[in-house]
Amino acid sequence: KQEVTQIPAALSVPEGENLVLNCSFTDSAIYNLQWFRQDPGKGLTSLLLIQSSQREQTSGRLNASLDKSSGRSTLYIAASQPGDSATYLCAVSKNDMRFGAGTRLTVKP
Amino acid sequence: GAGVSQSPSNKVTEKGKDVELRCDPISGHTALYWYRQRLGQGLEFLIYFQGNSAPDKSGLPSDRFSAERTGESVSTLTIQRTQQEDSAVYLCASSSDFTDTEAFFGQGTRLTVV
Repeated sequence: KQEVTQIPAALSVPEGENLVLNCSFTDSAIYNLQWFRQDPGKGLTSLLLIQSSQREQTSGRLNASLDKSSGRSTLYIAASQPGDSATYLCAVSKNDMRFGAGTRLTVKP
Repeated sequence: GAGVSQSPSNKVTEKGKDVELRCDPISGHTALYWYRQRLGQGLEFLIYFQGNSAPDKSGLPSDRFSAERTGESVSTLTIQRTQQEDSAVYLCASSSDFTDTEAFFGQGTRLTVV
């Protein structure tokens, strides 16, 4: 059974800092990995999708990397802003889609 | 449609009643997922449909839970004899192919069992 772990569980940073969120998974035979954000009381918004053959994806201030062999992904957020405050979730897909518990990010003005 | 649509957005029910939650996936999406999210917790996988294949029901917590999907259209999640521990947000997602495409989520149904 696929287990997905996200570290840290919570993170608080001052505005402008660069930060890294971590995701690890136990079964490296995945099809893709996806990063989402979830705002309080809301659904999930897709941020980046990395296919198993890819090493990284970038969108604006976000960069996600994937090391499938070691079962790890990182989400890098540059020049963080208060609007980035949310819970960030990673999900890995093989025969279904399994999520980590998320990292709750707070960016202080 | 433009996105994944779930209804109702909120549901309050009495303990012991049955409830039915609905998910309209993005048109053409063959994969459909249901998750449960209790307050302050992560997403708990419930069930996964892929085209006409037999669904993966491995995440359903008890026989009170069931889900159906006809072809590549609407899915319904039914909870029979609801209990207070069923209170949660139920989220649905769809994707065009489970191997290499993005999954998109609906806004969820908030179920409260009183």
